[in-house]
Amino acid sequence: GAGVSQSPSNKVTEKGKDVELRCDPISGHTALYWYRQSLGQGLEFLIYFQGNSAPDKSGLPSDRFSAERTGGSVSTLTIQRTQQEDSAVYLCASSLGYRGNLFFGEGSRLTVL
Amino acid sequence: GQQLNQSPQSMFIQEGEDVSMNCTSSSIFNTWLWYKQDPGEGPVLLIALYKAGELTSNGRLTAQFGITRKDSFLNISASIPSDVGIYFCAGQLRAGSYQLTFGKGTKLSVIP
Repeated sequence: GAGVSQSPSNKVTEKGKDVELRCDPISGHTALYWYRQSLGQGLEFLIYFQGNSAPDKSGLPSDRFSAERTGGSVSTLTIQRTQQEDSAVYLCASSLGYRGNLFFGEGSRLTVL
Repeated sequence: GQQLNQSPQSMFIQEGEDVSMNCTSSSIFNTWLWYKQDPGEGPVLLIALYKAGELTSNGRLTAQFGITRKDSFLNISASIPSDVGIYFCAGQLRAGSYQLTFGKGTKLSVIP
């Protein structure tokens, strides 16, 4: 597609349930990132994938968070046993190189009740 | 992790005024970038800076990469209503690193 596509755009779940957020990057972009944006906060780095290299998972806040990228394209961020503090907008971005020009999706807004 | 201190947190200005915001860090950054986020959208890159001392313009926007490599500023001249949004600075700690660290943003409101 023309841009980074994320789904769902909004997700409301109950505490303790698992959620999956999907990201479809720009075709040909080798790097894919997940960031979390809480209300009034900046963007918190979660994880990035670059080509066939091992992902940089250093930003994942707990072992309840995991992500995978299949076939070097689509990525899924999974949050297990969701907590209320997981409520945020989860932004996915992709880039062609390492010069910092990230193209962001519109985000998936997660609300944990 | 590394922190970027962005200021001010918010600004209210009259249409036509100039705006200045900045970002500082205790760490040396290899790259500085400025993004803008409109409501309900993801951030969009405005300006990228790759060399210490570099001054770059993009229309009414001007940004500089500080000589110490620990700071950057963004100026917007003759503000217009569509400048409203949240402006984020971001930096890369190491050359070739894919990880970007973001500031907490400056929320800009323009009064017509």
